Amino acid sequence: GDSVTQMEGPVTLSEEAFLTINCTYTATGYPSLFWYVQYPGEGLQLLLKATKADDKGSNKGFEATYRKETTSFHLEKGSVQVSDSAVYFCALGGYSTLTFGKGTMLLVSP
Amino acid sequence: GAGVSQSPSNKVTEKGKDVELRCDPISGHTALYWYRQRLGQGLEFLIYFQGNSAPDKSGLPSDRFSAERTGGSVSTLTIQRTQQEDSAVYLCASSQGFGIEETQYFGPGTRLLVL
Repeated sequence: GDSVTQMEGPVTLSEEAFLTINCTYTATGYPSLFWYVQYPGEGLQLLLKATKADDKGSNKGFEATYRKETTSFHLEKGSVQVSDSAVYFCALGGYSTLTFGKGTMLLVSP
Repeated sequence: GAGVSQSPSNKVTEKGKDVELRCDPISGHTALYWYRQRLGQGLEFLIYFQGNSAPDKSGLPSDRFSAERTGGSVSTLTIQRTQQEDSAVYLCASSQGFGIEETQYFGPGTRLLVL
């Protein structure tokens, strides 16, 4: 079945550092890929998505590229802010629903 | 417009009791999903509804769990004879259409604690 594996956290960075959160997947067919973010005390929000191979999703300075050859969708940001502290979930959109990774907590200190 | 809303936001119950969790999707969204998020875990799919089609119940963990969607809008997730392992955050999401490209919009969740 479909599955998503993402790096375990917490990831601890200083403000303005470069961020990478790795995400790989296994799936049948050609899924869509998503990153959702959960800020403290808030619900899940879509951060970005990509619907086909080589597509790049981007939002709020975050980017991720759908790599079919490596079955990956790594999240990157060039310069993180304290306000980016949250839990990030990689998800795979199959035919009927989303399959989520376990989430990666990001802590950014001033 | 209003997002997905869920009630109650928190629920504490005793083992063996039944609970009902409610979800109001975004108006006009045809698909509705329920997920469970246990502490330190990712989201676990439970059930989805799409229009008037029969729901996909493949993620329900046991026959103690059931869900309804009335009039294509509001949904209720019912857990009968709750157990301590049912303690989790239950999340509802809706999407405008159905398919692999659709973005799901999540509610704030109901935090369930079974004592």
